[in-house]
Amino acid sequence: AQSVTQLGSHVSVSEGALVLLRCNYSSSVPPYLFWYVQYPNQGLQLLLKYTSAATLVKGINGFEAEFKKSETSFHLTKPSAHMSDAAEYFCAVSDRGYSTLTFGKGTMLLVSP
Amino acid sequence: DAGVTQSPTHLIKTRGQQVTLRCSPKSGHDTVSWYQQALGQGPQFIFQYYEEEERQRGNFPDRFSGHQFPNYSSELNVNALLLGDSALYLCASSLGGGRAPTDTQYFGPGTRLTVL
Repeated sequence: AQSVTQLGSHVSVSEGALVLLRCNYSSSVPPYLFWYVQYPNQGLQLLLKYTSAATLVKGINGFEAEFKKSETSFHLTKPSAHMSDAAEYFCAVSDRGYSTLTFGKGTMLLVSP
Repeated sequence: DAGVTQSPTHLIKTRGQQVTLRCSPKSGHDTVSWYQQALGQGPQFIFQYYEEEERQRGNFPDRFSGHQFPNYSSELNVNALLLGDSALYLCASSLGGGRAPTDTQYFGPGTRLTVL
């Protein structure tokens, strides 16, 4: 079964600093990978997804992620954090045959002024 | 364009009771998936409905059942509630029966169920 592991339940950065949220996947075949963001009392919003077309994927709100097969990683980055980025971020993988998602446990991003 | 809507927003039940949660998919979407998100955890897939049939199911007991209506809206039913069923229940919609793993799922705000 495919799975993802998110390293760090909480990440704290200062406003303007680099954001790096880590995600490693476990899959016997090339996976399809997603990053979602969840703001308080809201549902999940798709940030970006990897569909094997390009290893560097650009998403909304200035986020991007790079698929690295050799490291089995799909880390999420943003060059400069903004206060509005404070939220919980989930990495997810979809089954090869279907669109159902398996999520990691999430990483809470805290942004201080 | 209305997104995915869910009702009710919050619900409090006692052990042993039954509950029904409702979801209306994003306009034009025909596939509905349900997820359970326990506190401090990522969402877990419960099941997916397409053409009024359950197409995929996660590792949840038969106490969890669902239905999809001709207008694509969906219900999640949970019988014999347990304390461990307390969670945020998320509905997600997509297009095309869930057969493409790259399909984007659009999530609603969820229903928070508390079982006392």
